Amino acid sequence: DQQVKQNSPSLSVQEGRISILNCDYTNSMFDYFLWYKKYPAEGPTFLISISSIKDKNEDGRFTVFLNKSAKHLSLHIVPSQPGDSAVYFCAASAVTGGTSYGKLTFGQGTILTVHP
Amino acid sequence: GAVVSQHPSRVICKSGTSVKIECRSLDFQATTMFWYRQFPKKSLMLMATSNEGSKATYEQGVEKDKFLINHASLTLSTLTVTSAHPEDSSFYICSALMGYDRYTFGSGTRLTVV
Repeated sequence: DQQVKQNSPSLSVQEGRISILNCDYTNSMFDYFLWYKKYPAEGPTFLISISSIKDKNEDGRFTVFLNKSAKHLSLHIVPSQPGDSAVYFCAASAVTGGTSYGKLTFGQGTILTVHP
Repeated sequence: GAVVSQHPSRVICKSGTSVKIECRSLDFQATTMFWYRQFPKKSLMLMATSNEGSKATYEQGVEKDKFLINHASLTLSTLTVTSAHPEDSSFYICSALMGYDRYTFGSGTRLTVV
């Protein structure tokens, strides 16, 4: 049962344009969402996160939007740069025991290629 | 801050031997660490959640006797792949939870069993 889904395996964008990566989830207990960037044979690098009390969070070129009713989130990168080319994973978590968040559940990843 | 060191970065071992992978939080104390496995071009699959001083919680389908996890201190968790076989070859990644909601990942370990 894939609780976090990234339905687009790949995305190709021209440099300077906007990249939009999408993610859907099914578990209504998830209330914290994160985006990671990953290169082969390396660990994921944190990009941006959002809690369920917000519908938007922005950090520089990266903006994450959350639509709780649709159980959908998206990552916008603008302007896109060739150095952004990597695999992007969305992940979700829920509070456990009231003290902290627990395990992350990852989507399948989307390969972003930004062409010069 | 919030650096997680994982090593070795890659290891090749013979079938039937055991391999230990270390995950250290360098500048913070991690009460909870997670171990993931990634197959080529696939997602990160959680194997187990490790809490300091207690037994790890394994995900369904993960053999706890094959993948031994020890979290003896607030800065160190280890994953031992026992009696490794070629099908255990994979990319293993650890993650540490700092505070309430900050997850930091190690750089991963490429295990090849020959």
